[in-house]
Amino acid sequence: GAVVSQHPSRVICKSGTSVKIECRSLDFQATTMFWYRQFPKQSLMLMATSNEGSKATYEQGVEKDKFLINHASLTLSTLTVTSAHPEDSSFYICSVNGGRREKLFFGSGTQLSVL
Amino acid sequence: QQQVKQSPQSLIVQKGGISIINCAYENTAFDYFPWYQQFPGKGPALLIAIRPDVSEKKEGRFTISFNKSAKQFSLHIMDSQPGDSATYFCAANKAAGNKLTFGGGTRVLVKP
Repeated sequence: GAVVSQHPSRVICKSGTSVKIECRSLDFQATTMFWYRQFPKQSLMLMATSNEGSKATYEQGVEKDKFLINHASLTLSTLTVTSAHPEDSSFYICSVNGGRREKLFFGSGTQLSVL
Repeated sequence: QQQVKQSPQSLIVQKGGISIINCAYENTAFDYFPWYQQFPGKGPALLIAIRPDVSEKKEGRFTISFNKSAKQFSLHIMDSQPGDSATYFCAANKAAGNKLTFGGGTRVLVKP
């Protein structure tokens, strides 16, 4: 069964609205989760590392005020795309660190379309 | 700077044939090299992985070959099946932090 649950799988919103994406670790407690962004036919780009109980670590070039990450519990991290614009349309994927590198599991992704 | 370079970008192979995807890395601190399979609209799933102390690893129809001196590794899919049609990503990881650096991806199409 799924190790990581990501919701919603697809969201369409109007420009200027905020969208929240949830990533849940189902099988283990995850002190670290990762958020990726993937444009069509391109690779995954790491956006940020979500740390339980502390601030997320953002990759260079990623606006932390635009992409708010909250990792309030050992099983849940959320990514909020604030004031979304069409250029934010993308496939967002979370991954969960199960404690070993072989135990890095990915969610099923969220397709965000901003009109 | 792209730390993991993957080729080809796309690949068409006949059913039963061999699919070969190559990756090269630059950072010698990388010590874990996984391959992921991704179907459209889904997240990546770990396929097979190798560490640099091993030159080859085989799991079923999937084999990784690793050349530490050349800083290259490759994925071979033997007896390719239409169900193998997907995008494959190589990746690399350092010992600390568990961040993955992904290659650009290879779209594989297996024709029946």
